[in-house]
Amino acid sequence: RKEVEQDPGPFNVPEGATVAFNCTYSNSASQSFFWYRQDCRKEPKLLMSVYSSGNEDGRFTAQLNRASQYISLLIRDSKLSDSATYLCVVNGRNRSGTYKYIFGTGTRLKVLA
Amino acid sequence: DAEITQSPRHKITETGRQVTLACHQTWNHNNMFWYRQDLGHGLRLIHYSYGVHDTNKGEVSDGYSVSRSNTEDLPLTLESAASSQTSVYFCASSGSATGEQYFGPGTRLTVT
Repeated sequence: RKEVEQDPGPFNVPEGATVAFNCTYSNSASQSFFWYRQDCRKEPKLLMSVYSSGNEDGRFTAQLNRASQYISLLIRDSKLSDSATYLCVVNGRNRSGTYKYIFGTGTRLKVLA
Repeated sequence: DAEITQSPRHKITETGRQVTLACHQTWNHNNMFWYRQDLGHGLRLIHYSYGVHDTNKGEVSDGYSVSRSNTEDLPLTLESAASSQTSVYFCASSGSATGEQYFGPGTRLTVT
């Protein structure tokens, strides 16, 4: 089982739609969680951190469910410019005690006009 | 503004050659990381450093080395380039072990 798993998509949605991505992780000791956005052939850019209480930034809402070990990202009122790959990232201690940043393989989103 | 840069942005080299990829950050971050990204694998950690003179192996470190002589730079060296090392390489830095990472623009390396 992969340490961080995401549905690769692509999710094809019309402009204005609401779309949600989930990501599951296997290490129950994971401590911090993030969503990154990556455009084709570019570097990943931080979209938002994910907190236990959930957090919202404009049209984007992130939630963490520690009991079920998943995080989610909700995008409301999708724009053409939201088309990208969304990477789920989980950070936690590994067996040697060091922190390890684990990336999911990403979910592709295409917003259609 | 603080930033993280990588050079070269594109590199073509031959099998067996030594190659060094540069990474420079002006965030004054202690933590720096090198990843490679290949289709179907996502980002995989090659080496990382938590400070000057500190280096650690990641999950795909074979054939790569790093050194950290100052806070700003973490060069990645491919000792003897192999075709399997054709990839996009990203450098990143962070201010804390659990905090967000900031990425450089990447280096696209082709080994022929």
